[in-house]
Amino acid sequence: ELKVEQNPLFLSMQEGKNYTIYCNYSTTSDRLYWYRQDPGKSLESLFVLLSNGAVKQEGRLMASLDTKARLSTLHITAAVHDLSATYFCAVDGYTGNQFYFGTGTSLTVIP
Amino acid sequence: NAGVMQNPRHLVRRRGQEARLRCSPVKGHSHVYWYRQLPEEGLKFMVYLQKENIIDESGMPKERFSAEFPKEGPSILRIQQVVRGDSAAYFCASSWALGTYLPGNTIYFGEGSWLTVV
Repeated sequence: ELKVEQNPLFLSMQEGKNYTIYCNYSTTSDRLYWYRQDPGKSLESLFVLLSNGAVKQEGRLMASLDTKARLSTLHITAAVHDLSATYFCAVDGYTGNQFYFGTGTSLTVIP
Repeated sequence: NAGVMQNPRHLVRRRGQEARLRCSPVKGHSHVYWYRQLPEEGLKFMVYLQKENIIDESGMPKERFSAEFPKEGPSILRIQQVVRGDSAAYFCASSWALGTYLPGNTIYFGEGSWLTVV
């Protein structure tokens, strides 16, 4: 069964600090997606990584993909309170019609 | 969010009742997906439908759950004889084509329907 694992599951960090969330997956897919979810809300697409070595940045968030290691990272730079949310990574299924989501990383940024 | 509409947003049902969750995809999208999110977990795929057809229901529980996407109207996820373990958030998503890998084929998620079974 395809597995997607994230760590840490919970992350509490102070404003201004840097941290990295890791996403490991078991498929050979070279496409990986990062989503943000606020409490009681839907998923907001953050990044779509479509090839090995892909790196994308938006504001204080930067995502990268290493398909050989089956690893993606979401790096947070100089965290601010507005980044508090749950972050999910997801990979394609073998048939291309579904995502497999990680268990999520609940991020709390403390002022 | 590009306009996937789900209703109701919150639904409370007693054990044994039926729950019906509706999803209107983004205008022009003919591919609909349902996911379930249990508390403290990630989303789990349930079913993928095109208009009038169930394409992949590999994630659907074998009993009590059914889904449809009629030619006209929203997609419906139906849960019969609900049990406490059905309490979860149910998310609908839509896309214009099949293939999560297709460039530009963004999958849009609705805001979810939160089912509570008491």
